[in-house]
Amino acid sequence: DIQMTQSPSSLSASVGDRITITCRASQGITNYLAWFQQKPGKAPKSLIYGASRLQSGVPSKFSGSGSGTDFTLTISSLQPEDFGTYYCQQYNTYPFTFGPGTKVDI
Amino acid sequence: QVQLVQSGAEVKKPGASVKVSCKASGYTFSSYYMHWVRQAPGQGLEWMGIINPSGSFTNYAQKFQGRVSMTRDTSTNTIYMELSSLRFEDTAMYYCASADTVMASFDYWGQGTLVAVST
Repeated sequence: DIQMTQSPSSLSASVGDRITITCRASQGITNYLAWFQQKPGKAPKSLIYGASRLQSGVPSKFSGSGSGTDFTLTISSLQPEDFGTYYCQQYNTYPFTFGPGTKVDI
Repeated sequence: QVQLVQSGAEVKKPGASVKVSCKASGYTFSSYYMHWVRQAPGQGLEWMGIINPSGSFTNYAQKFQGRVSMTRDTSTNTIYMELSSLRFEDTAMYYCASADTVMASFDYWGQGTLVAVST
């Protein structure tokens, strides 16, 4: 199975900050990488697919980049509603696997 | 508006089975692949398996092979996930999620169904 790692595991930031979360795959996954946001007690929400493409309705302050094994999620101008845990997921190979998550506190 | 509405919380004893449903509305459900993902309390997300649009093909994570069954009723736009021989460690929130192809990420998620395994 492809192992996904994320860093940092948690971070604290201020409103207006720009933050970056890193995701690494144990083998190349081209651009079959997605990002999800989850708030406490809620289902995950899809943010990005194809490493850099925003899901419909997702604001442009979210952006993704990367290819192969290394990927990043950037949130520009962090707002209070952006708190939560962010997960990356590879869908290049079954079984699909998720990173362990990055908890973002505002 | 696309919605995936899951069945309510369940409490089961060890060794029992549970069947969770996920009903779709607001889009062409019959064209979508459907996944199940679970999340133990305080833990991350774990992919369980996928079922194709017609219900003729499934692919399960090896961890659940032999204990999980995913089915779909196209007449009611509903999919089902049945997990048998329940163990305490199966206590988790179970989510359904849709994808438009077999090698696509998820676009819509259900609200989740809590399954608690307890004596």
